Amino acid sequence: DAKTTQPNSMESNEEEPVHLPCNHSTISGTDYIHWYRQLPSQGPEYVIHGLTSNVNNRMASLAIAEDRKSSTLILHRATLRDAAVYYCIPSHSGTYKYIFGTGTRLKVLA
Amino acid sequence: GAGVSQTPSNKVTEKGKYVELRCDPISGHTALYWYRQSLGQGPEFLIYFQGTGAADDSGLPNDRFFAVRPEGSVSTLKIQRTERGDSAVYLCASSLGDRGTEAFFGQGTRLTVV
Repeated sequence: DAKTTQPNSMESNEEEPVHLPCNHSTISGTDYIHWYRQLPSQGPEYVIHGLTSNVNNRMASLAIAEDRKSSTLILHRATLRDAAVYYCIPSHSGTYKYIFGTGTRLKVLA
Repeated sequence: GAGVSQTPSNKVTEKGKYVELRCDPISGHTALYWYRQSLGQGPEFLIYFQGTGAADDSGLPNDRFFAVRPEGSVSTLKIQRTERGDSAVYLCASSLGDRGTEAFFGQGTRLTVV
């Protein structure tokens, strides 16, 4: 299983960019990198995923290192509604299940 | 359109009782997952269905836990002889079943064993 390392917590000011790092040095060549977030008292919510190239969607951008051993989730302008726990999840090689770690708790300051 | 629906939203049961938790996935999603989440922890994988069959049940903690998906749609997680340590939020998710697609999670069932 690919192991991930994320900071326990981060803070950001509202309307500033946020870069959430994740190390996944044991990822296999065919594993996607998924990011989910979990707002208080809700189930996890998909944010973005990628394989090798950087990815953008309406919620965020995902920057994947060339060696794929790390990735960074970028929120371009943090809002108070982005306060959540963010999970980086390599898709488990050979299967479809998601293995969640403890994630990064993002606090957004007004 | 409807998302993943879980019922009940809350369940309080006495130690030793049997409980069933229901998950209605998004229509057409072949993959279905069960997780449980304790306070302050990330979701913990329990079981994954592809269609009607359990493709991976390696996360079920012991034989008191069992899950079914008889027609490839609705799933039921069954817990026998509940223990106080089973208290958690039980989350269900569904997806199209490809590793590159997103999973949609329900709001969860909060189980409290007293």
